[in-house]
Amino acid sequence: EAQVTQNPRYLITVTGKKLTVTCSQNMNHEYMSWYRQDPGLGLRQIYYSMNVEVTDKGDVPEGYKVSRKEKRNFPLILESPSPNQTSLYFCASSLSSRRSHVRLEAFFGQGTRLTVV
Amino acid sequence: SQKIEQNSEALNIQEGKTATLTCNYTNYSPAYLQWYRQDPGRGPVFLLLIRENEKEKRKERLKVTFDTTLKQSLFHITASQPADSATYLCALNYGQNFVFGPGTRLSVLP
Repeated sequence: EAQVTQNPRYLITVTGKKLTVTCSQNMNHEYMSWYRQDPGLGLRQIYYSMNVEVTDKGDVPEGYKVSRKEKRNFPLILESPSPNQTSLYFCASSLSSRRSHVRLEAFFGQGTRLTVV
Repeated sequence: SQKIEQNSEALNIQEGKTATLTCNYTNYSPAYLQWYRQDPGRGPVFLLLIRENEKEKRKERLKVTFDTTLKQSLFHITASQPADSATYLCALNYGQNFVFGPGTRLSVLP
């Protein structure tokens, strides 16, 4: 079954304690991205990756890191989490049009609800 | 500045009626526009994609239009059902990236 898998689903942590949220896709997609979703603010992109070893900042990258060492995995790292990073996080992957390289439909993970106290 | 707006934050309609959701954008020239459905606490799920040279796309009870002159897409759900209640997001291709609208929360009342 084609899917994007995030772990953990729920996480409560303390300020400053490094954490990693994993994301894995089994569709051989080149493009992957991370979003956070907050009430009234919609989906905001944190980082995205066009391919292995290629990552770029989205709209809200401060306080986050990513890596893309393999095509299937795209972990999100919070080196020193703060309470303002309490949010619902989604990982997504997609194919691109072969001709235009435009991103086609995105597949999203189940979400990770992070609380930083 | 670039902006995507969706008509209203929330829309209530009666079961059986047609729901019409709007997505307007400024300062983008997307080649594609997509619509997604999101249920509370879950990831968005892809519904339809429409290309800039397509005026209309249909899938079962769903219909999407795309007017690049007006910079607007309309998303219709005909014969709406309570199970259609969810948040609907439009998304544009921006360069080689996606950008999502804020969403419209649709409630279909029995």
